[in-house]
Amino acid sequence: DAGVTQSPTHLIKTRGQQVTLRCSPKSGHDTVSWYQQALGQGPQFIFQYYEEEERQRGNFPDRFSGHQFPNYSSELNVNALLLGDSALYLCASSMNRAGDEKLFFGSGTQLSVL
Amino acid sequence: RKEVEQDPGPFNVPEGATVAFNCTYSNSASQSFFWYRQDCRKEPKLLMSVYSSGNEDGRFTAQLNRASQYISLLIRDSKLSDSATYLCVVTSNFGNEKLTFGTGTRLTIIP
Repeated sequence: DAGVTQSPTHLIKTRGQQVTLRCSPKSGHDTVSWYQQALGQGPQFIFQYYEEEERQRGNFPDRFSGHQFPNYSSELNVNALLLGDSALYLCASSMNRAGDEKLFFGSGTQLSVL
Repeated sequence: RKEVEQDPGPFNVPEGATVAFNCTYSNSASQSFFWYRQDCRKEPKLLMSVYSSGNEDGRFTAQLNRASQYISLLIRDSKLSDSATYLCVVTSNFGNEKLTFGTGTRLTIIP
């Protein structure tokens, strides 16, 4: 049983470019959350998707957008990249079922903006 | 004030020693509490949930003090493999709503 998978593992972009990160949730999971972890910091919640809609959003600008597909996989898009967007981007999946909400994290995408 | 505050360390502790971390949270409506472990830029992994009654898992003991809004983690008989960053995590709901992480406490066990 594959866990949460993310692609790519590493990415280098330049300022002003756009980037798309991808996430496949653990089998049986229907909810996907995205987190940004800057060096030396804890992960920061970006947003969560359930039933193909954004259900919750953290304190991130509109340059950060996402999508969830019918197969529950998800994409994170960041437009007009800034140097400060350099971070580890983590995807986490879970089941939207009471009592079974444990989060499983993928190994992340390391984004470097030059 | 940050929602979840931790001493970033680093804590350098000899093998076999006992080490304790504390974490404070600002939102009194917080409902669920966890400790996660993260190794060297890998993904965070759930170490244990934290309950008001306190809970123990082998060498690890977690405590929650709602009145003072702090959470603790105690590691006994520390092993080299315990070297990692320990993240204090809080949610405002019982479900899989957004997790609010502290900055993490870096622990190094010295042989």
